[in-house]
Amino acid sequence: AQSVTQPDIHITVSEGASLELRCNYSYGATPYLFWYVQSPGQGLQLLLKYFSGDTLVQGIKGFEAEFKRSQSSFNLRKPSVHWSDAAEYFCAVVRYGGSQGNLIFGKGTKLSVKP
Amino acid sequence: DGGITQSPKYLFRKEGQNVTLSCEQNLNHDAMYWYRQDPGQGLRLIYYSQIVNDFQKGDIAEGYSVSREKKESFPLTVTSAQKNPTAFYLCASSIPGTRGNTIYFGEGSWLTVV
Repeated sequence: AQSVTQPDIHITVSEGASLELRCNYSYGATPYLFWYVQSPGQGLQLLLKYFSGDTLVQGIKGFEAEFKRSQSSFNLRKPSVHWSDAAEYFCAVVRYGGSQGNLIFGKGTKLSVKP
Repeated sequence: DGGITQSPKYLFRKEGQNVTLSCEQNLNHDAMYWYRQDPGQGLRLIYYSQIVNDFQKGDIAEGYSVSREKKESFPLTVTSAQKNPTAFYLCASSIPGTRGNTIYFGEGSWLTVV
């Protein structure tokens, strides 16, 4: 069965430090991948998405992600974290044979930022 | 502005009651979705609808029901058969069949059993 794994439940980084959030997926064909961010009690905001083409994807708020087929990974990165980046981050893949919004989510990584 | 509106933001349900969560969108999207979010569990798909008067079960449909009588509306009823309904519920919409398009989420509704 398809799945998305985010190995890190909680990560703490210092403000100004670099960030990498890990995401691994299981999928036979070329996946359609997303990263979303969620502030407490709020909906999800799309950071970036990958469907095809360039494996390095740029998103909003200075985030980027790299698709690596050989590692079945789609890790999210940011060179310098700001305190406002503290939130929960979700990786998701479109379900095989499903429509656009039929997503399988990872369990999320909560990001804390130290001053 | 276009978007997805969920109401109410907070809802309390007594044991044995049915409650309905509202989801309205003015994005002219054909497809709409309901997800449930529990702490540490990510989001799980409850029901989805790709067109008016049609909907399909997702991964955790038991104890829930939906209707899709209008394109812009996709209400979710949490029935008394749902044994553990306390959760955060998110509605989403998209244009079906176009995998390059974005899925938009509402701001969510908190349901608590009292």
